[in-house]
Amino acid sequence: KQEVTQIPAALSVPEGENLVLNCSFTDSAIYNLQWFRQDPGKGLTSLLLIQSSQREQTSGRLNASLDKSSGRSTLYIAASQPGDSATYLCAVSYMDTGRRALTFGSGTRLQVQP
Amino acid sequence: EPEVTQTPSHQVTQMGQEVILRCVPISNHLYFYWYRQILGQKVEFLVSFYNNEISEKSEIFDDQFSVERPDGSNFTLKIRSTKLEDSAMYFCASRTGFIPYEQYFGPGTRLTVT
Repeated sequence: KQEVTQIPAALSVPEGENLVLNCSFTDSAIYNLQWFRQDPGKGLTSLLLIQSSQREQTSGRLNASLDKSSGRSTLYIAASQPGDSATYLCAVSYMDTGRRALTFGSGTRLQVQP
Repeated sequence: EPEVTQTPSHQVTQMGQEVILRCVPISNHLYFYWYRQILGQKVEFLVSFYNNEISEKSEIFDDQFSVERPDGSNFTLKIRSTKLEDSAMYFCASRTGFIPYEQYFGPGTRLTVT
């Protein structure tokens, strides 16, 4: 069964710190990987998408990397701010899902203390 | 910027009642999805829809569920006879037919079954 795991489940850091969120997935036959942000009781905002042929993607203070062979992705957040407080979800689209359904991890709940 | 919209934002229904959740995908998108998130759990795939038919469904999507694209803009999820365990946030997503196949999510409908 294809599984996506995220660690840590929760993280609390002081403002300004750089941090790394981890995502691991079974089965390296992925098509792409998306990182999402979810605020409490809200929808999913796509942050970054990495195709299986790519190693990393950057958007502002966010950098996501992908290592297919080890089944890992990381989301790096530079100079964290209180507004970054949210749950971050990793989701994988596997090759054998014909219409690219996403398999989600359980998320990392991030709290950035001012 | 175009976005996926969902109505209603919150629906309360009694067990055994039928509910219809509505979504308006982004206008040039071709692939449509429903996901759900039970409180405190992972986001789970329910069904994908393309070219007016279901292309993939999970084991959660049993005979109580159905989807429809009744016109050129709406995409609906119907639950025929709701159960307590159907209480969840339901997310609609859509994407184009072009690489990198990024999925865009709506804000969700919170369904509460009493």
